[in-house]
This record gives sequence, structure tokens and C-alpha cells, in this order.
Amino acid sequence: GDSVTQMEGPVTLSEEAFLTINCTYTATGYPSLFWYVQYPGEGLQLLLKATKADDKGSNKGFEATYRKETTSFHLEKGSVQVSDSAVYFCALLFTTGNQFYFGTGTSLTVIP
Amino acid sequence: DAGITQSPRHKVTETGTPVTLRCHQTENHRYMYWYRQDPGHGLRLIHYSYGVKDTDKGEVSDGYSVSRSKTEDFLLTLESATSSQTSVYFCAISEANYGYTFGSGTRLTVV
Repeated sequence: GDSVTQMEGPVTLSEEAFLTINCTYTATGYPSLFWYVQYPGEGLQLLLKATKADDKGSNKGFEATYRKETTSFHLEKGSVQVSDSAVYFCALLFTTGNQFYFGTGTSLTVIP
Repeated sequence: DAGITQSPRHKVTETGTPVTLRCHQTENHRYMYWYRQDPGHGLRLIHYSYGVKDTDKGEVSDGYSVSRSKTEDFLLTLESATSSQTSVYFCAISEANYGYTFGSGTRLTVV
């Protein structure tokens, strides 16, 4: 079945370190791919998205490229800040059904 | 989030009692969803709605029911709460394929 697999956390980085959170998916069709972020005590917020192969989503210094050949959508940021501490969720969405499949989330803590 | 509110934000209830959580939107979006979030499981879909009086089950629907009598309101009911339903519940809305907008969540504790 369709699913999303994220790297397990928690991840702890020092400020200004490089971040990669891996996400791979299994899908029978061609989904859109998303990253959501959840700050403590809040709901999920859309961080970025890509709707077709080779698209790159970007926002707030974060980037992810839709790689059909490796079925991946890894999240990267060149220099993390303490304010980036949150839980990050990878998700996929098919154009039919309008239903998301979420990964289990990866907790990131950035220390000064 | 703007345009979507959940109530209550926190609730403690006793095992066996009925509980209703409310999701209200002002965006006139067609789709509404209820998820629960638990450590190690991420978000799991409970029920969703694709229009007034049109609802369907998600992957963890046992013990839950929903109703949508108006576009703006989507209610989640636990008919007889159990400790396994202690969780954080999130409502989400969407239109077409533009992604979800999530509410701020309801933290439910069943004692």
C-alpha cells in the first residue's frame, strides 16, 4: 500500500549545522509530496511542497526535491537555528481521494 | 490556525462517558478531517468528510463517530471514552489539492 517512511529521531544539532531529514515513499501513482512542521503545542503547518518529479519545494531556508527515481523527498537546510526546533512530518497526497499519508514525524532539537 | 478552530483545547473525562469534540471552519472548504496524534504513530486518520452529511472512515475509526450537518462544523464523538483514546486530536480542512490547514489540537485525557 501507499506509505511514507521517515528517518527516526530524535535529531539533535548545534546551531548553524547542516540538516537532512530523510523521507521515502511507496506509491502506486504520482503523488504530490509535502513537508509539515509542528512547533510545541501547536498544530501542523505546511512548510513546503512539490507536485511533480524534479520539482524543488523551498521555504524559510528549507528545501526538498521530488526524486521519482529514488522515491524520496529529503528535507535539507544549510544552517539550522534554535527556532527550527520542532517535529517535521513528510506526507504524500494523491490527486484523487484528497487524503494524506503521513510519516511518523522526526523531532529536531537545535542547541545554541 | 486562522479559519479553523477546535474546541475544547483541553479536556479530561472519565472512562465510559461520551465526549464530543468540535471543529469549526470559516474557509468554506469541502473536505474536513479528524486525526489523532500519538507518540510513535504520527498522525492517523479517524474519519473524514467530503461534504455535508458525507463522511467516511479512516484507518482508526473504531470507537468514534462523526457528523457534519453544516459545511463549517465537523463533530467527533467518542460514544464511551476509553483510556486508549487519550490522545491529541487534530482537525484539518482542505480544498482541492492545496494541502491541509490544521487546527491547534485538542488534548484529551481519559482517566
